[in-house]
Amino acid sequence: GENVEQHPSTLSVQEGDSAVIKCTYSDSASNYFPWYKQELGKRPQLIIDIRSNVGEKKDQRIAVTLNKTAKHFSLHITETQPEDSAVYFCAPNQAGTALIFGKGTTLSVSS
Amino acid sequence: DVKVTQSSRYLVKRTGEKVFLECVQDMDHENMFWYRQDPGLGLRLIYFSYDVKMKEKGDIPEGYSVSREKKERFSLILESASTNQTSMYLCASSLVNRGPREQYFGPGTRLTVT
Repeated sequence: GENVEQHPSTLSVQEGDSAVIKCTYSDSASNYFPWYKQELGKRPQLIIDIRSNVGEKKDQRIAVTLNKTAKHFSLHITETQPEDSAVYFCAPNQAGTALIFGKGTTLSVSS
Repeated sequence: DVKVTQSSRYLVKRTGEKVFLECVQDMDHENMFWYRQDPGLGLRLIYFSYDVKMKEKGDIPEGYSVSREKKERFSLILESASTNQTSMYLCASSLVNRGPREQYFGPGTRLTVT
């Protein structure tokens, strides 16, 4: 099965800095790469995803980049704000299979 | 707007009790999932279902069973609750449409087994 690792497990940044979270996976058949955000006490929600035929996708301050050869993809958050503080999960998978989540990265943004 | 609801937000049960956790979605999604969430371990898949009366084991099915008699409802059953099943349980659903789609999560049930 898919082996998913996220790094770092915790990340602390100052407001306005950038944050990068990396997700590595083992299954070369994976073709869908989402990132979920879970704020304290709330349910996880999809914030951005990318498919294997695309190398990068941006949505305002967040972006995801994919390196299929090296089997990793990253979440980039620019100009971080306190409301970006949350746990972020990656869940690489292939079509038709259940999402297997990484262990999560806790991002803390201090003002 | 997709809505996934779970029967209880908080539940306290005794060791050995049979526990039912219910999940209902209102968007006609084919796929439904049960995860448990523990600090430092992320979201771990217990069981999932692609269709009515169909179920597949996830990574940690031991001690759990599921039931899907209707498309909108997916139940997680703890046959004999144990203290190591104290956790946050999250249900999710998604469409089947040419590959994986966004999973929508319920609010979670925090189960304590004493």
